[in-house]
Amino acid sequence: GDSVTQMEGPVTLSEEAFLTINCTYTATGYPSLFWYVQYPGEGLQLLLKATKADDKGSNKGFEATYRKETTSFHLEKGSVQVSDSAVYFCALKGHGSSNTGKLIFGQGTTLQVKP
Amino acid sequence: DAGVIQSPRHEVTEMGQEVTLRCKPISGHDYLFWYRQTMMRGLELLIYFNNNVPIDDSGMPEDRFSAKMPNASFSTLKIQPSEPRDSAVYFCASSPPTGQGVAGELFFGEGSRLTVL
Repeated sequence: GDSVTQMEGPVTLSEEAFLTINCTYTATGYPSLFWYVQYPGEGLQLLLKATKADDKGSNKGFEATYRKETTSFHLEKGSVQVSDSAVYFCALKGHGSSNTGKLIFGQGTTLQVKP
Repeated sequence: DAGVIQSPRHEVTEMGQEVTLRCKPISGHDYLFWYRQTMMRGLELLIYFNNNVPIDDSGMPEDRFSAKMPNASFSTLKIQPSEPRDSAVYFCASSPPTGQGVAGELFFGEGSRLTVL
């Protein structure tokens, strides 16, 4: 079945450092890919998305490119801030009526940014 | 606009007791999801509804778990009897009808943290 694998956390960075969180997926067909973020004590919220190969999703300085050849959707940010400390989830939505509305999430990667 | 509302935010109970978690989705959304989050297993989809009808309950761990959606504005997740291994944060999420909003965007509540002693 469909699945998402993320790099192990926690990731600890200093402010203004470059961030990469790796995400790879297994799916049939052409899924849509997402990054969600969970701030402490809150539910998840959508950060960015990409719906087809070579699409780049971006938001709040974060970017991720849908790479079908490597089945990857790595999250990057050029300069992290303390306020980016959160748990980041990679997710996919398969195609076909049986997958309508349903997201498959990775295990989450905790990011801690120190001043 | 109000987001997804879950109650209670925290619940501490003893093994064997019945637990009921509640969710009010965003008005106009026709999909509702129940997820469970633990350190060991991450975020797991338990069940989801479309137009109040359960579509996929394959993630419900066992018969002790049940979920209902009697109308478009309310859903419950019940555990009876509860066990210590059920301790987790339970999230409810909703999403708009297909073709509206951002495809695949789920709106999550703040979660219900359950501790079973």
